[in-house]
Amino acid sequence: KAGVTQTPRYLIKTRGQQVTLSCSPISGHRSVSWYQQTPGQGLQFLFEYFSETQRNKGNFPGRFSGRQFSNSRSEMNVSTLELGDSALYLCASSLGLAGGRAYTQYFGPGTRLTVL
Amino acid sequence: GDSVTQMEGPVTLSEEAFLTINCTYTATGYPSLFWYVQYPGEGLQLLLKATKADDKGSNKGFEATYRKETTSFHLEKGSVQVSDSAVYFCALSVPSGNTGKLIFGQGTTLQVKP
Repeated sequence: KAGVTQTPRYLIKTRGQQVTLSCSPISGHRSVSWYQQTPGQGLQFLFEYFSETQRNKGNFPGRFSGRQFSNSRSEMNVSTLELGDSALYLCASSLGLAGGRAYTQYFGPGTRLTVL
Repeated sequence: GDSVTQMEGPVTLSEEAFLTINCTYTATGYPSLFWYVQYPGEGLQLLLKATKADDKGSNKGFEATYRKETTSFHLEKGSVQVSDSAVYFCALSVPSGNTGKLIFGQGTTLQVKP
């Protein structure tokens, strides 16, 4: 089974621009979560989607948004980029929840975003 | 709130040495616990997991036991190799409502020297 794929792998943008990152989950997985990884803040949860619905959102400004399509692929968008948005953005997929327990999340290779 | 604390790195060991990376957690519910590993330039790979107290997760010679009484999930390996050099993250998942986001520790860098 193919793993989680993310495109593009690398992006360079300038302040004020917007960016869209894409994530294709493992086949059969309906839950997609996004995380931001920076040297200063570590790994932080952005949001989670399940069956095209956002189920949870982390503590990030409204410039960060996402969506999920009917085939479970997900995109996240960051508008009005700031220097501090430079980070590795990781997508993870899972089967979701069952019996009150979360299924394991499997991560993609990430998209490295650099904001100049 | 829920949180994970890992020992500070970097940890530098010689090949074939014994490894322990400490991880403790705070959680309001009954979390599942995970260790993920990140190699340079890559995403996170699941190393092992445990879903309830006293469970032992194991993979590739690594082990960790879910200790509810000490709220710990320490990672161990009997004999490390140079190829084990990476950043190791302890994480928990406490399902809340219908979501199960991961909360990570700050990561511990392991460097193994030949």
